[in-house]
Amino acid sequence: KQEVTQIPAALSVPEGENLVLNCSFTDSAIYNLQWFRQDPGKGLTSLLLIQSSQREQTSGRLNASLDKSSGRSTLYIAASQPGDSATYLCAVRQGRYGGATNKLIFGTGTLLAVQP
Amino acid sequence: EPEVTQTPSHQVTQMGQEVILRCVPISNHLYFYWYRQILGQKVEFLVSFYNNEISEKSEIFDDQFSVERPDGSNFTLKIRSTKLEDSAMYFCASSEEGWNHYEQYFGPGTRLTVT
Repeated sequence: KQEVTQIPAALSVPEGENLVLNCSFTDSAIYNLQWFRQDPGKGLTSLLLIQSSQREQTSGRLNASLDKSSGRSTLYIAASQPGDSATYLCAVRQGRYGGATNKLIFGTGTLLAVQP
Repeated sequence: EPEVTQTPSHQVTQMGQEVILRCVPISNHLYFYWYRQILGQKVEFLVSFYNNEISEKSEIFDDQFSVERPDGSNFTLKIRSTKLEDSAMYFCASSEEGWNHYEQYFGPGTRLTVT
């Protein structure tokens, strides 16, 4: 059964710092991995989607990497800003014979606080 | 930019009552999903829906739950007889395709409180 975990559970950094959030998954047979941002009491905003065949995806100050064989993904945030404060979730779409399942399996989340 | 919308934003109901949560997916999307997040816990998959039928469901999605696309724009989740443990944030999501690389886009959620 796929398990997705995220380390650290919480992180506080001063504004301007570069930071890395980690996501690990136990079953490497994934179809893709998606990073989300969740603001308190709000929905999930999709940040990046990495296909299983890709190593990296970039969007603005965000860079996500994927090492499928080791079951890891990282989200790198450059020059962090107070507005980046939120919970960051990773989610994997499990691969299976004949195609991926539809469901996303979510991690535990990292609560990020960027101090001004 | 197109987005998934959900109504109501907050629903309070008494145990045993039926509730219907509503979603309007992004207009050209073909796959629709419901997830839930119990306070302090992970987001969990409930069900996916394509071509007017359920394509996949989790063990959470028992006979008390049903989904429907009553018209060309709405997608609903019905809970027939709510329990205290159904209290959670319910998220609707949609994607252009079910498997071929496409992202799932989530709505803002409906907070369901069962008393």
